[in-house]
Amino acid sequence: GEDVEQSLFLSVREGDSSVINCTYTDSSSTYLYWYKQEPGAGLQLLTYIFSNMDMKQDQRLTVLLNKKDKHLSLRIADTQTGDSAIYFCAETLLTTDSWGKLQFGAGTQVVVTP
Amino acid sequence: DVKVTQSSRYLVKRTGEKVFLECVQDMDHENMFWYRQDPGLGLRLIYFSYDVKMKEKGDIPEGYSVSREKKERFSLILESASTNQTSMYLCASTTVERVQPQHFGDGTRLSIL
Repeated sequence: GEDVEQSLFLSVREGDSSVINCTYTDSSSTYLYWYKQEPGAGLQLLTYIFSNMDMKQDQRLTVLLNKKDKHLSLRIADTQTGDSAIYFCAETLLTTDSWGKLQFGAGTQVVVTP
Repeated sequence: DVKVTQSSRYLVKRTGEKVFLECVQDMDHENMFWYRQDPGLGLRLIYFSYDVKMKEKGDIPEGYSVSREKKERFSLILESASTNQTSMYLCASTTVERVQPQHFGDGTRLSIL
């Protein structure tokens, strides 16, 4: 099966940039997603990127994809206390029987300190 | 906006009980999913459904069953609850266009005593 791996914890100072890293193993065409989970809540989609792209920017969020190394990162500029959450990297396979299933990483707990 | 609603935010049940978790989506999505979330393990797929009365096992189906009698509703059933099923349960839905992201409910935190 496919594995999506993330570091489990990141501490960052308010106003600094956060970088959350993820590696995936499947070599097929795929979409890669970043979800955010605040305490006691479900998952909120932040952004996604197709595997033929290198970068995607959306306001304070920048996603970088290194296809050769199968490495995905999410950069949050000017990190705020409201960015404290668990961030999940996820991958979906574009195969005929995938039914849009997602393979998730374990999640990175981001703690923003004043 | 897509709305995925899970019937309970918190639920406490006893070992051996039959437990029903309900999920409803309002966007006419074909695909619906049930995950459980445990610390350090991320989300693991229990079951999914791609149409009414259709279901497929996910990665950890043991001890669970599902029901999809109507398109908007997907139920997760714990036939005989056990303490190792204490977890956060998340429901999600998406369209048949696989590039569309899954939309999640707020989760049900289930405790089995």
